[in-house]
Amino acid sequence: KNQVEQSPQSLIILEGKNCTLQCNYTVSPFSNLRWYKQDTGRGPVSLTIMTFSENTKSNGRYTATLDADTKQSSLHITASQLSDSASYICVVSRFYGGSQGNLIFGKGTKLSVKP
Amino acid sequence: GAVVSQHPSWVICKSGTSVKIECRSLDFQATTMFWYRQFPKQSLMLMATSNEGSKATYEQGVEKDKFLINHASLTLSTLTVTSAHPEDSSFYICSAPPGQGGFTEAFFGQGTRLTVV
Repeated sequence: KNQVEQSPQSLIILEGKNCTLQCNYTVSPFSNLRWYKQDTGRGPVSLTIMTFSENTKSNGRYTATLDADTKQSSLHITASQLSDSASYICVVSRFYGGSQGNLIFGKGTKLSVKP
Repeated sequence: GAVVSQHPSWVICKSGTSVKIECRSLDFQATTMFWYRQFPKQSLMLMATSNEGSKATYEQGVEKDKFLINHASLTLSTLTVTSAHPEDSSFYICSAPPGQGGFTEAFFGQGTRLTVV
């Protein structure tokens, strides 16, 4: 069964601290893995997209890693800010481009950054 | 990146009435758009694929007569929730890929919070 599991379900950290979110998937055939940030009551916004040949990609303070062999990904947030409070969703695509019907969504990790 | 705009951002309606949600691609043409539903603390669930000039494709378990989709132009898709009931209350999100084929990014609208009372 094609699934994307994220952990932890929720996380509270202090402003300025770093954190790492995890994503494990059992999606086949794998095309790419995406991390999205979703603010409460808003649509998801793309942070990174990685194909199987990429094992790390950064976007500002966000760094995603991918291990296609173990089917694991992580999203590391450096020097967290209050505005980082959001849900972070891991999404795995089954095909190269193509229909979004092949996007498998994780349930997300709800991050709360406290002052 | 490309911009997808959804309207309204939130709507409250009475049970039994119909509600229309619009999804527009502002700076690109989209022959295909996608509609998702998201319940609290849950993943986005694909409801249907909207195809310009042809019928929408619905996911298993989604009632096509209840969730009417019209993709009238290359920049506009609408989702109409007919005879809404409280259990239809949810967060509805549309998305569009700006390109066809190849490595396609997904851009999401800001979502519509529907509350049926």
